[in-house]
Amino acid sequence: EDQVTQSPEALRLQEGESSSLNCSYTVSGLRGLFWYRQDPGKGPEFLFTLYSAGEEKEKERLKATLTKKESFLHITAPKPEDSATYLCAVSNSNSGYALNFGKGTSLLVTP
Amino acid sequence: DAGVIQSPRHEVTEMGQEVTLRCKPISGHDYLFWYRQTMMRGLELLIYFNNNVPIDDSGMPEDRFSAKMPNASFSTLKIQPSEPRDSAVYFCASSRAGTGELKLFFGSGTQLSVL
Repeated sequence: EDQVTQSPEALRLQEGESSSLNCSYTVSGLRGLFWYRQDPGKGPEFLFTLYSAGEEKEKERLKATLTKKESFLHITAPKPEDSATYLCAVSNSNSGYALNFGKGTSLLVTP
Repeated sequence: DAGVIQSPRHEVTEMGQEVTLRCKPISGHDYLFWYRQTMMRGLELLIYFNNNVPIDDSGMPEDRFSAKMPNASFSTLKIQPSEPRDSAVYFCASSRAGTGELKLFFGSGTQLSVL
């Protein structure tokens, strides 16, 4: 069975203080690893899909990387508007389009 | 596009009552997913459809839960009878195959409270 573990559960940063969120996964036949952002009272919003080890993707202050066992979401010089819960998910070759989510990392960026 | 539309946004009901949650996916999307989110268990997949056909319902907790997709623009998730442990946020999401990237678009969710 697929397992997705995110750490830390919560992270507090000062504005401009860079850091990384971790997503460790166990999956038989990775089809894709996904990062989503969720704001309070809203549904998750897509950020990135990574398909193979060594792949990297960037969007503004966010950069996602992937190895065979984990993924990192690097946040460079964060701003208060980056405060949200960041969710990691995987799909395997058998699950098709169904995603298995981790419990998320709640990020708070203070001015 | 208006995105995935869910209704109601909030539902408060008493134990034993029937609850129906509704979802309108993004036009042109051929996959529809129902997820449930709680603090304890995070986001859990309940069921998903492809071209209106249920593909995997192994996440549906028990027979009290049922989902239908009568056409490409509408789906329902029904709980009968409801129990306090069903209290959660229920999300609907849709996706389109063949775009080269798997991307789910989520609605804003239905906050369900069963008293």
